Amino acid sequence: RKEVEQDPGPFNVPEGATVAFNCTYSNSASQSFFWYRQDCRKEPKLLMSVYSSGNEDGRFTAQLNRASQYISLLIRDSKLSDSATYLCVVNLDSWGKLQFGAGTQVVVTP
Amino acid sequence: NAGVTQTPKFQVLKTGQSMTLQCAQDMNHEYMSWYRQDPGMGLRLIHYSVGAGITDQGEVPNGYNVSRSTTEDFPLRLLSAAPSQTSVYFCASRGTGLAGGNEQFFGPGTRLTVL
Repeated sequence: RKEVEQDPGPFNVPEGATVAFNCTYSNSASQSFFWYRQDCRKEPKLLMSVYSSGNEDGRFTAQLNRASQYISLLIRDSKLSDSATYLCVVNLDSWGKLQFGAGTQVVVTP
Repeated sequence: NAGVTQTPKFQVLKTGQSMTLQCAQDMNHEYMSWYRQDPGMGLRLIHYSVGAGITDQGEVPNGYNVSRSTTEDFPLRLLSAAPSQTSVYFCASRGTGLAGGNEQFFGPGTRLTVL
């Protein structure tokens, strides 16, 4: 079983719509959580951290459910530029050793 | 700041050849790491370093060596290339601090093909 699991998608989303997807993790001792964005053939870049109380950054909302060991990302009012692969990332220790999911592809269509 | 730089961007090797992937960062970060990314697998940690002179193995270290003689540089050596090492390699760095509070910065990647 993978440590971090994601639905690979693709999620095909009309422009302006809302899309949400989850990620599950297996290590209950995981310390912190992130969503990274990766464009085609580019390096991953931090989208947002995920806090226990849930947090928003503009059109993006992230939630953490420690009891069920999943995190979620919701994108409102989708833009064409939101088309990318979203990587769920879990921090395993204090030095920042990260465990990556394989990514969820989102395709926003006009 | 250039951030994290990697060379080369592309490389083709024959089975059995050796080579070094270069990685440098100018952010004075202590923590550096190497990942490989394969389709459907996510990024997997090869080796990491928590400071100059200190390195450790990650999830998939076999066939790779690293060294960290300076804070800035963290080269990855392929000892004897195999087709299974065909992948995209990313170098990353982060500063030290509270766990999970620091962003990890990635280089642009090296696309390696082993024939």
